[in-house]
Amino acid sequence: QVQLQQSGPGLVKPSQTLSLTCGISGDSVSSNSAAWNWIRQSPSRGLEWLGRTYYRSKWYNDYAVSVKSRITINPDTSKNQFSLQLNSVTPEDTAVYYCARAPHDAFDIWGQGTMVTVSS
Amino acid sequence: QSVLTQPPSASGTPGQRVTISCSGSRSNIGSKAVNWYQQLPGTAPKLLIYSTNQRPSGVPDRFSGSKSGTSASLAISGLQSEDEADYYCAAWDDSLYGHVFGTGTKVTVL
Repeated sequence: QVQLQQSGPGLVKPSQTLSLTCGISGDSVSSNSAAWNWIRQSPSRGLEWLGRTYYRSKWYNDYAVSVKSRITINPDTSKNQFSLQLNSVTPEDTAVYYCARAPHDAFDIWGQGTMVTVSS
Repeated sequence: QSVLTQPPSASGTPGQRVTISCSGSRSNIGSKAVNWYQQLPGTAPKLLIYSTNQRPSGVPDRFSGSKSGTSASLAISGLQSEDEADYYCAAWDDSLYGHVFGTGTKVTVL
């Protein structure tokens, strides 16, 4: 049974970096048949896909246009997890952040969600 | 911000059939598979329909999906009280090169 466990702070100051980690059990971040995604949800922006990392003989990353200049998603094969870093955050980045697995472009397993507030 | 458009609300009495629409464009629904998610209050979204009309194991056959052109639909037949939730459509968008979501529809069981 695949499970995703999120960790990271719930409060980030404006202009700083938001960092979250998603631990994987029951599957591998190096899987050749899945992509590992970050998605966020806020009342103002709804559900918003942020980006993904996946392995197909080498590592690939894709990022949403809206955050492309500020985002990094990294796999960590030694810990079987992947991470999200979002730089230069503003209050607009306040949201519930989810990690999710996508075997065939559908998000079938989700993390529990992390409410992140950007405030001083 | 959402690229796919859904009606904000839908409702029905127990046992009725409810249909939710999702409008997109040629770069997403018009050329890609559509997925549907159900979100209960305070929980993460749950995959309900994938590849436009396929149900994951454990999803009741009361839920069905379809698409025509640049629009997709989710139908709930035999509506039950536990179906009261928010529903979102989603698809890959070739122009944006990313996943896009619908605006969401709140289903109320009267």
